[in-house]
Amino acid sequence: GDSVTQMEGPVTLSEEAFLTINCTYTATGYPSLFWYVQYPGEGLQLLLKATKADDKGSNKGFEATYRKETTSFHLEKGSVQVSDSAVYFCALVLEYSSASKIIFGSGTRLSIRP
Amino acid sequence: GAVVSQHPSWVICKSGTSVKIECRSLDFQATTMFWYRQFPKQSLMLMATSNEGSKATYEQGVEKDKFLINHASLTLSTLTVTSAHPEDSSFYICSAYRVGEGIGGYTFGSGTRLTVV
Repeated sequence: GDSVTQMEGPVTLSEEAFLTINCTYTATGYPSLFWYVQYPGEGLQLLLKATKADDKGSNKGFEATYRKETTSFHLEKGSVQVSDSAVYFCALVLEYSSASKIIFGSGTRLSIRP
Repeated sequence: GAVVSQHPSWVICKSGTSVKIECRSLDFQATTMFWYRQFPKQSLMLMATSNEGSKATYEQGVEKDKFLINHASLTLSTLTVTSAHPEDSSFYICSAYRVGEGIGGYTFGSGTRLTVV
C-alpha cells in the first residue's frame, strides 16, 4: 500500500548546523508530497509542498526536492536555529480532492542546541 | 488564510464519561473534515473522514460506536469519545479541506489533548 518512511529521531544539532531529514515514499499513483511541522502542544502547519517530479518546495529556509527516480523528498536547511526545534512529518496525498486523505510518515523530532 | 479552530485544547475527564471535541472552519466551508489521533512521539493516524450531511467513513480498527463523528454543517464537525477510558488518552487533531485550494487546501486544528483519569 501507499506509505511514507522517514528517518527516525530524535535528531539533535547545534545552532547553524546543516539539516537533512530523509523521506522516501511508496505510492501506486503519482502523489503530491508535503512536509508538515508540529511545534510543542500545537497542531500541524504546512511547511512546504511539491506536486510533480523535480519540483522544489521551499519555505523559511527549508527546501525539499521531489525526486521520482529515488521516490524521495528529503528536507534540508542550511543553517538551523533553536526555533526550528519541532517534529517534522513527511506526507503524501494521491489526489487532492475533498475525499483524499493524507498519509503521514512517523515524524522526526528535531532539537537544536544553542 | 484558512483557519480551523479546535476546541477544547485540552480536557481531563473521568473514566466512563463522554467528551465532545469540536472542529470549526472559521472562514471557509469544509465539505470534508478528517480526524486524526496521535500517540506520544508517534505519527498521526487517520481515524475517520467526515463528510457534511452523511455518515463518516472510519478507518479499519476504529470503533465507530466509541468515536462518534457528526458533520452537521459545512463549518462544524464534532468527535465524541463515548465512555472514555484511560487508553483513549491521546492528542486528537482535526483537519478541514478547502475546495479549490489544491494540495494546500488541508488546514489543521491546533489539537485537543484528552486525558482520561
